Amino acid sequence: RKEVEQDPGPFNVPEGATVAFNCTYSNSASQSFFWYRQDCRKEPKLLMSVYSSGNEDGRFTAQLNRASQYISLLIRDSKLSDSATYLCVVNRDAGGTSYGKLTFGQGTILTVHP
Amino acid sequence: NAGVTQTPKFQVLKTGQSMTLQCAQDMNHEYMSWYRQDPGMGLRLIHYSVGAGITDQGEVPNGYNVSRSTTEDFPLRLLSAAPSQTSVYFCASSYWAAANTEAFFGQGTRLTVV
Repeated sequence: RKEVEQDPGPFNVPEGATVAFNCTYSNSASQSFFWYRQDCRKEPKLLMSVYSSGNEDGRFTAQLNRASQYISLLIRDSKLSDSATYLCVVNRDAGGTSYGKLTFGQGTILTVHP
Repeated sequence: NAGVTQTPKFQVLKTGQSMTLQCAQDMNHEYMSWYRQDPGMGLRLIHYSVGAGITDQGEVPNGYNVSRSTTEDFPLRLLSAAPSQTSVYFCASSYWAAANTEAFFGQGTRLTVV
C-alpha cells in the first residue's frame, strides 16, 4: 500500500463547478499535511497547508481527519487557471530533523473547461 | 530573487555515463533534498541533507550520490547512468526546524538515458 494515496483522476469540470479531491495516508504518526499544485512541466508549489481545524484560502478549503487519516481539498467556482495536478503531501515523521522530509501522493489531474 | 536554481534543465546521457545535477539555493535553508518524478509515481525522495556536511538516504538512493559542502549547494551525482534513471529530477529546500514549513522547488531537470 502506498503511504499517500490519491485518486489520479483526471477530473474534467466546467468553469464554475465545485470539485473535491481526496487523499489518504497510512502512517498515523504523520504530523504535517499539505496540498501542492503542479502545472504542466513545472515544479510543485505550495497551495496550502492543512490543519486539523480545517482551513480556507479564498475558493480553496482543506480538511484533515486524523481519525480516518484522510485529507481533502475543495475548490469552489473553478477557473480555467485551476487546471493543474494537485499533490497531496505528508510529512510522515514525528519531528526533529525530519521536518521537510515529505511523502507525495501521485497527484490528481484537474482540467477546467469553458 | 533566485530561490532554488537547478542546472541543467535538460540532459541526454548514454548508458554508463556519469554526470552531476547542480542545485543551489539563496534562502539560507538548512534542509535540501532531491526527488525524482515518474509518471503515476508521484515524487520520490532520493537523498536529503539537514545541513552542511550531513546527508542521508531517502526512498530511492541507489545509483545516486550527494554531498553538502556548503549551505547553498547540494549536487546530485549519477554514477553510471541507466535507462531506469530516465526521469524528471527536482531539488527542494526548506527551513527544517518548523512544522508546516514550505518546500521550495527548483524548475527541474529532465534527464533521458539512452
